[in-house]
Amino acid sequence: QIQLVQSGPELKKPGESLKISCKASGYTFTDYAMQWVKQAPGKGLQYMGWINTQTGKPTYADDFKERFVFSLETSASTAYLQINNLKNEDTATYFCARSLRMDAWGQGASVTVSS
Amino acid sequence: DIQMTQSPASLSASLGETVTIECLASEDIYDILAWYQQKPGKSPQLLIYDASSLHTGVPSRFSGSGSGTQYSLKINSLQPEDFASYYCQNGLSAPRTFGAGTKLELK
Repeated sequence: QIQLVQSGPELKKPGESLKISCKASGYTFTDYAMQWVKQAPGKGLQYMGWINTQTGKPTYADDFKERFVFSLETSASTAYLQINNLKNEDTATYFCARSLRMDAWGQGASVTVSS
Repeated sequence: DIQMTQSPASLSASLGETVTIECLASEDIYDILAWYQQKPGKSPQLLIYDASSLHTGVPSRFSGSGSGTQYSLKINSLQPEDFASYYCQNGLSAPRTFGAGTKLELK
């Protein structure tokens, strides 16, 4: 069955960087785009952008153009979200989701940024 | 960017009731709209795509309708597992913005 398995919780200090993974299984990885969504504690869903899994080209929503990087390791059917120069407001759960239709989601990766 | 205005923000209903959640897009999105359900501590799940198409495995008590800029999600005969948060999403163009969400609570 289709599965997206994300990496575990992270506790980081402001200014540090992190990389979240999203490993796909049960389908051909390059047949579907991968999207990323942020959910701050107690808040709604915020669309971050997507990456074309055939070309590797990322597209970022305006709020995520500065410190955020989407990447792929196609041989491992894995997508990555890197966040640089972490800020307190990056504290959130980050979800990966398959395809423009978002028909399958990862379980979420919790990130806490605190000094 | 297309803005999605979702209403109500919260809704209180009883088991067996029928409820409707609305979503208004700031411009025509040509029925490219999705609805998601999210339970506490869980990831969102796709319910409806292309405004009215039911995703695989979703119970038929869920239905979507609308066109142009106005869309709605209807849940018939509420079941205990339906009490959750619901989000609409513009699927037409980047950024694929979400509505602010509707929290459906048991009365």
